[in-house]
Amino acid sequence: DAGITQSPRHKVTETGTPVTLRCHQTENHRYMYWYRQDPGHGLRLIHYSYGVKDTDKGEVSDGYSVSRSKTEDFLLTLESATSSQTSVYFCAITPDWNTEAFFGQGTRLTVV
Amino acid sequence: AQKVTQAQTEISVVEKEDVTLDCVYETRDTTYYLFWYKQPPSGELVFLIRRNSFDEQNEISGRYSWNFQKSTSSFNFTITASQVVDSAVYFCALGTIQGAQKLVFGQGTRLTINP
Repeated sequence: DAGITQSPRHKVTETGTPVTLRCHQTENHRYMYWYRQDPGHGLRLIHYSYGVKDTDKGEVSDGYSVSRSKTEDFLLTLESATSSQTSVYFCAITPDWNTEAFFGQGTRLTVV
Repeated sequence: AQKVTQAQTEISVVEKEDVTLDCVYETRDTTYYLFWYKQPPSGELVFLIRRNSFDEQNEISGRYSWNFQKSTSSFNFTITASQVVDSAVYFCALGTIQGAQKLVFGQGTRLTINP
């Protein structure tokens, strides 16, 4: 199994509060991604990173920011959580742009 | 725009039956990748197969087989002699090559294998 750890695994937070999800990898892969999974939508890309301090937006980036200060860590921040951000969040990694992605275990976030 | 459609939301079959999961994709890229992932009830995403757009050979891996047809923009997945452990949600995904492996997923097909 790819060495990907997401934390926390479960979180309940209140509307308007900031939330940070962490993805940690031990594979030294260059690319890291954040996806969200919602019923009827499959998974959708939020943000991705192609190197330390190099990030870009995905399909559903509004309301989210990311940071990558080290190869192994990719942080996803909800600046002010809303109920529409209740979802399961998956981190993924790839060693290169043309390889398959391996996913973390997911973080279930509930915004009340 | 890139799009993946898995028209079958849910499929239920009896164990040992063969079952095919459909995947249709849309892209204007000439080079792209197609993937299938399995999500068992435990929730993790398990990689099954990757296929690039230049390789239309069908692939078989044990009870699993994949049929890629560029002419119909389809990448279908067949499970032969299904087993209860095959019960899961299966996702088809389309990958771009624009600087990163950004995946566009279908909505998923929930497959239930009944004993």
